[in-house]
Amino acid sequence: DAGVIQSPRHEVTEMGQEVTLRCKPISGHNSLFWYRQTMMRGLELLIYFNNNVPIDDSGMPEDRFSAKMPNASFSTLKIQPSEPRDSAVYFCASSLGQGHTDTQYFGPGTRLTVL
Amino acid sequence: GQNIDQPTEMTATEGAIVQINCTYQTSGFNGLFWYQQHAGEAPTFLSYNVLDGLEEKGRFSSFLSRSKGYSYLLLKELQMKDSASYLCAVTDSNYQLIWGAGTKLIIKP
Repeated sequence: DAGVIQSPRHEVTEMGQEVTLRCKPISGHNSLFWYRQTMMRGLELLIYFNNNVPIDDSGMPEDRFSAKMPNASFSTLKIQPSEPRDSAVYFCASSLGQGHTDTQYFGPGTRLTVL
Repeated sequence: GQNIDQPTEMTATEGAIVQINCTYQTSGFNGLFWYQQHAGEAPTFLSYNVLDGLEEKGRFSSFLSRSKGYSYLLLKELQMKDSASYLCAVTDSNYQLIWGAGTKLIIKP
């Protein structure tokens, strides 16, 4: 049974470029989460979808970040324009139920470097 | 504000026992998770506590005291592969998940 799939696994880009990160949650899961992890700030929730609808985007840093979930099996996180301070590991996670009382299953992450 | 406190780093010896503590101050409580994260990898689920007491799962156990805002993760018979970061996370009354900064556990032979 496939877990959460993320692509790309590594991304190196230059400041000002657009970056799109992709996620396929576990089939049948109703909730999807995008996280950012850095040494300085730890694991931060960016946005949370339930049944493809954004429920909480209070963690999205600024207008440069946007996320979509057009269907139950696909989500994107876009950064435009990217900045060096966006360098981090971005994780996508999914869970069976809604809210934050179910186990979250994390994808392998995308390591983003913005030069 | 909401806060979760964990030691930044701990060191233990292979074969020994280690206890990683987590204290939390949140607006309400709806459960506490422990996740393990090896360097360069994603977090993986270890345990979930919603009621007071001890939950045992093989070499790992997790304890919760809601009145004290306190949990610990107990790892027995430590193995080198247990070297990882251990993240404590609490679901508050608004069903938001608050993550701790994690405890880096170093196992020495």
